[in-house]
Formats: sequence, structure tokens, C-alpha cells
Amino acid sequence: EVQLVESGGGLVQPGGSLKLSCAASGFTFSNDYMAWVRQAPKKGLEWVATISTSGLTTYYPDSVRGRFTISRDNAESSLYLQMNSLRSEDTATYYCVKHTSRISIDYWGQGVLVTVSS
Amino acid sequence: DIQMTQSPVSLSASLGETVSIECLASEGVSNDLAWYQQKSGKSPQLLIYAASRLQDGVPSRFSGSGSGTRYSLKISGMQPEDEADYFCQQSYKYPLTFGSGTKLEIK
Repeated sequence: EVQLVESGGGLVQPGGSLKLSCAASGFTFSNDYMAWVRQAPKKGLEWVATISTSGLTTYYPDSVRGRFTISRDNAESSLYLQMNSLRSEDTATYYCVKHTSRISIDYWGQGVLVTVSS
Repeated sequence: DIQMTQSPVSLSASLGETVSIECLASEGVSNDLAWYQQKSGKSPQLLIYAASRLQDGVPSRFSGSGSGTRYSLKISGMQPEDEADYFCQQSYKYPLTFGSGTKLEIK
């Protein structure tokens, strides 16, 4: 059974930093692209970052590029999201997700809440 | 960026009714289109990928169709457990983009 378990969320002040982690199990982690998707309270879904199997290639939308960094440790089957210069608009539930070969998303974690507020 | 315009924003359906949700892409996405269901307080789940392929374990009353810029999700025979939010997503080009969602309720 595929499991994606996020951790590291919480309350942070504007301008602060936070690092999210995702522990993956139930599949060969190193074979799949992984990503983070977020959802602001009562809002829709927003893609945040994708990382290739090797970790050498990453993709970001303009809204987080230069502030967020996605990384992975294939030996530990773990995915990370380093978030710097956080803004109030980054407040959301962050989901760790597994991509299919066609870059849709076949598995989602339970999500972790990040609140950016003073 | 490819904009995904999803309609309607909300709808209500009677049990057994057939419903359709549409997604219009601002440019062609070559069938790289997925549909997700999100029940209240839960994580989204994949229903349809590659525009028309049913994800394993998803009931056959769900189906997807379309091509180019226009795609649709159909539920043939609304069930109580289908009450949820539905989102489309294009994976043709980065940045990956989602539709704004459709809230489906039971009438």
C-alpha cells in the first residue's frame, strides 16, 4: 500500500522559513517523479514543485520560484520542501504527491498545514 | 501558462441522475488531462487520467472524454458518496495547472 506521510508544518511568521518532509513507502520511491501541491483554506489546488527521479531536475511555478526548494533522498525514500521568505499567501495545506508517468497524480498524502501569520 | 476553466462552479443532482463537468484549456493539452475527487476534509483522489482512462478502483459510473482543449467528466448515476469537489488538471506543460473546482451536491 502506497503511503505518503507529511510532517513539519506549523505556524511561522512572515519572512520566516519552514521545511516540510514526506516519508514514502509501499512503492519504489526512486522510480517516480514526486511533487508538492497546496490548497489554501476553502480554496482550490495549486501545484508547488516537482522533482525528477534523480533529483537533478526541478520545476516550480513563478509564485514560489526562488523561495521554495524541493529535494529528495532516494536512499531514505523521503521528499522535502524547504520554504523561505514565507508570505501570508503561502498559508495552506501542503500535500506530498506521487506523479504517474504522465505527470498526473496517483497518490496524495494526508496533508500538513502551514500557517504564515504574525 | 495554460489556464484551465472549469464549469459549472457548483451543481446539485438527484440520486441516479447523470451529471457532467467541463474543463476548457487555454491551449491544447494533448489528452494530458486528469480529474480528481476531493471529499470534505480529505485528500484528493485520482479518478481519470489521460483524459479517459479510469484509475484502478474507481467505479465505472465515472468516465472522461474530450480532446484538444475541451474535456469532460461524466458521472452516470449519481450516488450519495459522489458528493464532493471535483478538479481537472493538465499535465501537458509546466507549470501544472488545475481547474478552480466544481462542488457537486445531492439535491
